[in-house]
Amino acid sequence: DTGVSQDPRHKITKRGQNVTFRCDPISEHNRLYWYRQTLGQGPEFLTYFQNEAQLEKSRLLSDRFSAERPKGSFSTLEIQRTEQGDSAMYLCASSWASGGSDETQYFGPGTRLLVL
Amino acid sequence: KQEVTQIPAALSVPEGENLVLNCSFTDSAIYNLQWFRQDPGKGLTSLLLIQSSQREQTSGRLNASLDKSSGRSTLYIAASQPGDSATYLCAVRVDRGSTLGRLYFGRGTQLTVWP
Repeated sequence: DTGVSQDPRHKITKRGQNVTFRCDPISEHNRLYWYRQTLGQGPEFLTYFQNEAQLEKSRLLSDRFSAERPKGSFSTLEIQRTEQGDSAMYLCASSWASGGSDETQYFGPGTRLLVL
Repeated sequence: KQEVTQIPAALSVPEGENLVLNCSFTDSAIYNLQWFRQDPGKGLTSLLLIQSSQREQTSGRLNASLDKSSGRSTLYIAASQPGDSATYLCAVRVDRGSTLGRLYFGRGTQLTVWP
């Protein structure tokens, strides 16, 4: 068990450019989550997948944001036409949907995005 | 919408003190509650998870309690150490079908333990 990994760890881009982040969950986990965290705030939910199906999306996920999990393993989060307000830490988490309330979400190290 | 509040926002204590971090939530129909630790610029480390049917959980020097009816949880840290310095986040998962997957987070308590 190598934990949740994210790539890249840091990304600096210019306003208007597109960026894509990758998340590799813990191998046996069937659920994958994306959150966004700005300075001094707690993480805010963006979206989550069970296997390859995207089951829930937050209103924060505007039409410039898209997430995929094509084979139910890794996931990508793309931001098109980045804006300075997109600058944040993007966190990925995964869990095993056991059907019980003991389901723990495990987080990756995050990708820190800075839009200039 | 579930709202999670953590008090205090910051806490600075000398090494060895026992301390309590507080978390409150507005919707008592929760599925579970997790406490996380976050070091500066890093991801989140899960500390404890309390299921909706449980009253408390313990791991080493950490003890977390849950009172669903009053919408409160506390994280108790015994014999604090400088290595405990971090931001502690409380997160609640609600028991409502349309938002079943997401965690709702507080802003955290920034803890500093000085030698």
